[in-house]
Amino acid sequence: EIVLTQSPATLSLSPGERATLSCRASQSVSSYLAWYQQKPGQAPRLLIYDASNRATGIPARFSGSGSGTDFTLTISSLKPEDFAVYYCQHRSNWPPYTFGQGTKLEIK
Amino acid sequence: EVQLVESGGGLVQPGGSLRLSCAASGFTFSSYWMHWVRQAPGKGLVWVSRINSDGSSTNYADSVKGRFTISRDNAKNTLYLQMNSLRAEDTAVYYCARAMTTVTTGWFDPWGQGTLVTVSS
Repeated sequence: EIVLTQSPATLSLSPGERATLSCRASQSVSSYLAWYQQKPGQAPRLLIYDASNRATGIPARFSGSGSGTDFTLTISSLKPEDFAVYYCQHRSNWPPYTFGQGTKLEIK
Repeated sequence: EVQLVESGGGLVQPGGSLRLSCAASGFTFSSYWMHWVRQAPGKGLVWVSRINSDGSSTNYADSVKGRFTISRDNAKNTLYLQMNSLRAEDTAVYYCARAMTTVTTGWFDPWGQGTLVTVSS
């Protein structure tokens, strides 16, 4: 089973700053990686799929990169509404879907 | 507007049963794979089960296999999760989610708002 490890666990930044979140896979997952955003009390929302494609309606300040085992979610200039928990997710043959443990992006 | 609305959560004793429902609207329900994902209080996301568009193929996480059954009624645009032999560790918010497109089994987009299942005596 592929394990996804996200870092850091918590990231403290100010609005306007650039955020860089990492997701590392225990073995190559090619480009089969997605990122989700979850705000308190809300369902997750798909941000990025296939490592670098923005989902419908996602602002351009969100971008994804990477392939193989190392992936990055970048938020170019943080807005107040971006402070949330972010999860990466992999899809495979079996188990078909695994999630990272999450990175909490908090206001500094 | 694409919408998923879960219902059926609540408090149940260990060993008990519960059936969750997910009402879909705003898209052609019968064309998409559907999923259940859960989140224990204060914890991360865990995939639970999936079903293909016509209901002929299902898969389960090892932790629920043999206890949970996913199904769908395409005439009613509704997804179900029958949960039997519930354990304390099944306590979580249960989300239904749609596959992003009709030609992929995953990524999950959109998600419902979730329904809380609490297993406790």
